[in-house]
Amino acid sequence: GENVEQHPSTLSVQEGDSAVIKCTYSDSASNYFPWYKQELGKRPQLIIDIRSNVGEKKDQRIAVTLNKTAKHFSLHITETQPEDSAVYFCAALFTGNQFYFGTGTSLTVIP
Amino acid sequence: GAVVSQHPSWVICKSGTSVKIECRSLDFQATTMFWYRQFPKQSLMLMATSNEGSKATYEQGVEKDKFLINHASLTLSTLTVTSAHPEDSSFYICSARDFRGAQETQYFGPGTRLLVL
Repeated sequence: GENVEQHPSTLSVQEGDSAVIKCTYSDSASNYFPWYKQELGKRPQLIIDIRSNVGEKKDQRIAVTLNKTAKHFSLHITETQPEDSAVYFCAALFTGNQFYFGTGTSLTVIP
Repeated sequence: GAVVSQHPSWVICKSGTSVKIECRSLDFQATTMFWYRQFPKQSLMLMATSNEGSKATYEQGVEKDKFLINHASLTLSTLTVTSAHPEDSSFYICSARDFRGAQETQYFGPGTRLLVL
């Protein structure tokens, strides 16, 4: 069935270091890959997204890379800050027009 | 960005009662909305796709008679949890796709916490 895998499930980094979260997807026709940040008890917030016609997108300290051949995409956060601590979810838009989410990564930035 | 609201934000009910949750797109029309369920420390699980003017599409394993979805207008979808039981206690989140602008984006509602006693 449709599937989005996400790794790691937990990640701790020192403030100022980089964090990388990786996702793989099963539907080769998927063409839209957003990343969401969710703080405890709140709704997911879109932080960056990428479409299949580009391989990389950057927005200040956040970047996303996409490898369509390998069917994986990654979130990169540089110069991490304590306020980056949250749960991050990747997602993929499948051909049935549904979004499927990864299992989430709990990021902790240690001051 | 676009705004999606949900009501109510909190529901506590007795086992056996039905609960209706509303999802509204406040500043755009949404022909398609999605309903997710999230258990503590877990990911968002897609329950169903709500289509304006037609029947919802349910994911495998989601009982359509248990979770009734109605998408009566371009700005409103409702999820009714019928005869709720304690195992239905969860965080329910809707989302709507905004097709305005060059490319579509998905926005989430604030979620509804359901506690069934």
